[in-house]
Amino acid sequence: QKEVEQNSGPLSVPEGAIASLNCTYSDRGSQSFFWYRQYSGKSPELIMSIYSNGDKEDGRFTAQLNKASQYVSLLIRDSQPSDSATYLCAVSSSNTGKLIFGQGTTLQVKP
Amino acid sequence: GAVVSQHPSRVICKSGTSVKIECRSLDFQATTMFWYRQFPKQSLMLMATSNEGSKATYEQGVEKDKFLINHASLTLSTLTVTSAHPEDSSFYICSARDDRDTQYFGPGTRLTVL
Repeated sequence: QKEVEQNSGPLSVPEGAIASLNCTYSDRGSQSFFWYRQYSGKSPELIMSIYSNGDKEDGRFTAQLNKASQYVSLLIRDSQPSDSATYLCAVSSSNTGKLIFGQGTTLQVKP
Repeated sequence: GAVVSQHPSRVICKSGTSVKIECRSLDFQATTMFWYRQFPKQSLMLMATSNEGSKATYEQGVEKDKFLINHASLTLSTLTVTSAHPEDSSFYICSARDDRDTQYFGPGTRLTVL
């Protein structure tokens, strides 16, 4: 079992729809969870951080964390073509403090 | 969000030369910075953890004598690729971690070794 798992996609949604990205992790001691967006040829850009159970909203983005189920998700409302990118789920290791990345989900928003 | 810069953004060098890449946290202090490498269409690969005032910790399989890391201040870490060869051509990305355990990435340095 991989430490952080994401569906690689591609996930295709029409413009204006809600995109739902999911991630599961294995380290029960992890306390910090992140979503990064990476455009092709660019470095990752932080979208959201979340540390406690529940929802956290920032503009069109909502992160959801459920530590009991070891599950993190990212919702993107009113998806735009400019949201087309690879979304990386990252979990901070409770042992080392390093970020453990999922393999990333490719999102395609079609006009 | 916090800003991390990298310099240079792109470098082309001849085989056998050394290349230094700088990573700076511009608006926060970072006791810990990280260096990653990414090949086309592959995931980020952590190379080493850079701690201010102490030696870097390298991941398994990463040669510490080839990839020299110096973290001389709370806002600057450098990666020197020594005696670079074509197989070292890659996208090198640094990150800086703040006091909330959040890593902010620099824009990356694309290295091409001829």
